[in-house]
Amino acid sequence: DARVTQTPRDKVTEMGQEVTMRCQPILGHNTVFWYRQTMMQGLELLAYFRNRAPLDDSGMPKDRFSAEMPDATLATLKIQPSEPRDSAVYFCASGLGHQGRRGMDYGYTFGSGTRLTVV
Amino acid sequence: DQQVKQNSPSLSVQEGRISILNCDYTNSMFDYFLWYKKYPAEGPTFLISISSIKDKNEDGRFTVFLNKSAKHLSLHIVPSQPGDSAVYFCAASSITQGGSEKLVFGKGTKLTVNP
Repeated sequence: DARVTQTPRDKVTEMGQEVTMRCQPILGHNTVFWYRQTMMQGLELLAYFRNRAPLDDSGMPKDRFSAEMPDATLATLKIQPSEPRDSAVYFCASGLGHQGRRGMDYGYTFGSGTRLTVV
Repeated sequence: DQQVKQNSPSLSVQEGRISILNCDYTNSMFDYFLWYKKYPAEGPTFLISISSIKDKNEDGRFTVFLNKSAKHLSLHIVPSQPGDSAVYFCAASSITQGGSEKLVFGKGTKLTVNP
């Protein structure tokens, strides 16, 4: 049963510290997303990649957030410096979005998330 | 500007009965719709999808109906089981019209199925 793996599962950090979240997408998936879930905003897209190339990061605060895919097996989301308002659950998801309709028939697979608390 | 709306934050049904979860959208460019289920402390799990060229898609106990003219879709669960108790998210994408594979999510409906 293929899974999207996210680490760490939980992270508590002090305001101003750098936070790095990691994601291992499912092998063979060419599209990777970062979503953030908060009570107020629900699930909001931060960034997404196709074939490791960033396609849309308009949902990300550019001054403090950065997302990269160093290789096909790793996606990272960094926050520097972190602020209390960044406290949320961050999800990574992968899929075959570039396959058009066929990819959408299977949806995207989400990881279990990283719960970030900035104090 | 919420493009995908789930106006019922919660729904409670009896085991064995039908659960109907509703979703409305505003963007006419959306051409693919998905439903996800989420348990606490887990990521969303894909349930079922439907493209805009269909008005119904069925998978076991789950059926999704799409009414494009009303920009409305619904998820029917029959019969409902206690294990179906979770938060259900509606999501939409405009994948085929030169758009993006990214999913726009509603804020979710918490379904409780009582034994």
